[in-house]
Amino acid sequence: QKEVEQDPGPLSVPEGAIVSLNCTYSNSAFQYFMWYRQYSRKGPELLMYTYSSGNKEDGRFTAQVDKSSKYISLFIRDSQPSDSATYLCATNTGNQFYFGTGTSLTVIP
Amino acid sequence: NAGVTQTPKFRVLKTGQSMTLLCAQDMNHEYMYWYRQDPGMGLRLIHYSVGEGTTAKGEVPDGYNVSRLKKQNFLLGLESAAPSQTSVYFCAASFVRGGGRDQPQHFGDGTRLSIL
Repeated sequence: QKEVEQDPGPLSVPEGAIVSLNCTYSNSAFQYFMWYRQYSRKGPELLMYTYSSGNKEDGRFTAQVDKSSKYISLFIRDSQPSDSATYLCATNTGNQFYFGTGTSLTVIP
Repeated sequence: NAGVTQTPKFRVLKTGQSMTLLCAQDMNHEYMYWYRQDPGMGLRLIHYSVGEGTTAKGEVPDGYNVSRLKKQNFLLGLESAAPSQTSVYFCAASFVRGGGRDQPQHFGDGTRLSIL
C-alpha cells in the first residue's frame, strides 16, 4: 500500500465552480500535510500546509485534514482558469517525504 | 532572485553513459533534495542533504550518487544510465525539513532526462 493515494483525475470544471481534491494516507503517525500546485513543465510550489487535524483557509483555498479517517482535502472556491494545474498532496515523517500522484485540474472559462 | 536553478533542462543519453545534474540555490537553505517524477508514481525522493558535506538516501537511491561539497550546490550523478532512469528530476531546497512550520520546499523547474 502506498503511503499517499490520490485520484489522478483528470478533473474538468466550469469557471466559478467549487473544486474538491482528495487524498488518503496510510500511516497514522503522519502529522504534517501539504498541498502543492504544479503548472505544466514547472516545479511544484507549496500552496497549503496543515498540521494535524482541522481546517486551514487561505483566500479561495481551504485545506482539511481528518486524521480519524486518514483523509486530506483541498477545496477551491470560485475556481479560475489560472487554477488549471496538477495538485499534489504530500506528507512527511522525519526526512522521508511522500507525495500523491497528483490530480490534473482544468477550469474552463 | 533565482531560487532553485537546475541544469541542464533537457538531456538525452544512451544506455551506459554517465552524467551529472546540477542544482544551485541562492536562498542559503540548509536542506536540499533530489526527486524523480514519473507518470502514475508521483514524486519520489532519491537522496537528500541536511547540510554541506552530508548526504542521505531517500526512497529510491539505487543507481544514483550525490554530493554536496558547497552549501549552495547539490549534484546528482548517474554513473551508468539505464532506460528505467528516464524521468523528470526535480531539486528542492528548504530552510528546515520541508513541511515544518510553514517552511516550504522550493522546487526547481526540473530536468527532463531520456535514456535510450
